[in-house]
Amino acid sequence: DAGVIQSPRHEVTEMGQEVTLRCKPISGHNSLFWYRQTMMRGLELLIYFNNNVPIDDSGMPEDRFSAKMPNASFSTLKIQPSEPRDSAVYFCASSEGSSYNEQFFGPGTRLTVL
Amino acid sequence: DQQVKQNSPSLSVQEGRISILNCDYTNSMFDYFLWYKKYPAEGPTFLISISSIKDKNEDGRFTVFLNKSAKHLSLHIVPSQPGDSAVYFCAGADSWGKLQFGAGTQVVVTP
Repeated sequence: DAGVIQSPRHEVTEMGQEVTLRCKPISGHNSLFWYRQTMMRGLELLIYFNNNVPIDDSGMPEDRFSAKMPNASFSTLKIQPSEPRDSAVYFCASSEGSSYNEQFFGPGTRLTVL
Repeated sequence: DQQVKQNSPSLSVQEGRISILNCDYTNSMFDYFLWYKKYPAEGPTFLISISSIKDKNEDGRFTVFLNKSAKHLSLHIVPSQPGDSAVYFCAGADSWGKLQFGAGTQVVVTP
């Protein structure tokens, strides 16, 4: 299995631009998670989906952030408009069932907003 | 509001010695705890977990201890090896299955 796939691996953009991060979970996993890692706050859960349905988006910072999961094999995290404080590493993870099960993380997308 | 705290941002230990990583939590609703390990430019990988009804879980060189009354858990690595150099994240899971991670501890194992 290829594991969780994220694209792009690196993204540099200017403030105000739209950014779209992509994730392909492991086949057969029915839970998908988006995290953000910063020096100050460590790993923060932004949103998670179960069977393609958003279950908890309380970690999404503000309305500029949105996430979708149109099918079991694809999810996007969009930031519009982007701001310099959004600069971070964004991870996608997937698991079978609940979070008690091991979550498998992708390699992350390093986002830099200038 | 950090519900999981790892107060030591870094730890240096000699190869062959014991590494002890500490983690404190405030949410008494956590009923499962997990440790993840992360190498640079990679995503975190699951290491070991413990249910809140237990006080110890062991897997090879890794042992996690849980003290519920103190809301404290620790990860012991014995013996430490150079390949253990990484960032270690502690996480708590509530009954909804939602994970809260700590900020991580950077471990450096020296020869």
